[in-house]
Amino acid sequence: EDQVTQSPEALRLQEGESSSLNCSYTVSGLRGLFWYRQDPGKGPEFLFTLYSAGEEKEKERLKATLTKKESFLHITAPKPEDSATYLCAVLTGFQKLVFGTGTRLLVSP
Amino acid sequence: ETGVTQTPRHLVMGMTNKKSLKCEQHLGHNAMYWYKQSAKKPLELMFVYSLEERVENNSVPSRFSPECPNSSHLFLHLHTLQPEDSALYLCASSQEVTRTGYEQYFGPGTRLTVT
Repeated sequence: EDQVTQSPEALRLQEGESSSLNCSYTVSGLRGLFWYRQDPGKGPEFLFTLYSAGEEKEKERLKATLTKKESFLHITAPKPEDSATYLCAVLTGFQKLVFGTGTRLLVSP
Repeated sequence: ETGVTQTPRHLVMGMTNKKSLKCEQHLGHNAMYWYKQSAKKPLELMFVYSLEERVENNSVPSRFSPECPNSSHLFLHLHTLQPEDSALYLCASSQEVTRTGYEQYFGPGTRLTVT
């Protein structure tokens, strides 16, 4: 069964304290891995797509990497406005995304 | 309007009511989706429409009935719901591609409470 596991479930950081979020997956043929950001009361906002092991993508303070078994979302020198839930999803079959439960990130000033 | 819009944003309904959720995408996409998001659970894919044809129905109870009249509009008709159906219902759209991947863009969701 296709499965996506995110850790930690929640993470509290001080402003400027860099860290990483993990997304591990077991799927029958990965076609793509996606990172989303979700703010309370809103829909997920697309961040990155990664297609193959070794690929990296960057956007401001965020950097996503991909291996054959997991993906990391690195947050460098975070700011309070980076506080959100970060969701990971994998594309396994015909237009079907399987999501993890997310990591709730809180960045304190 | 830009992106993906959903109405209403909040809905409270009794178990015997009938209501509909509406989604509209302004991105020129040709695939649309309904998801259910409950607390502490991953997003659950409910329905997929590609080129206005339903291609996925993830064992969703018949009290949820989707409708896709064209590639820009998607509805979710609700009737005789149960309290456990209370959740955030998200609509998404994407461009169907035959390559290795694609991105789905989400609306803000409808917060549904069944009393």
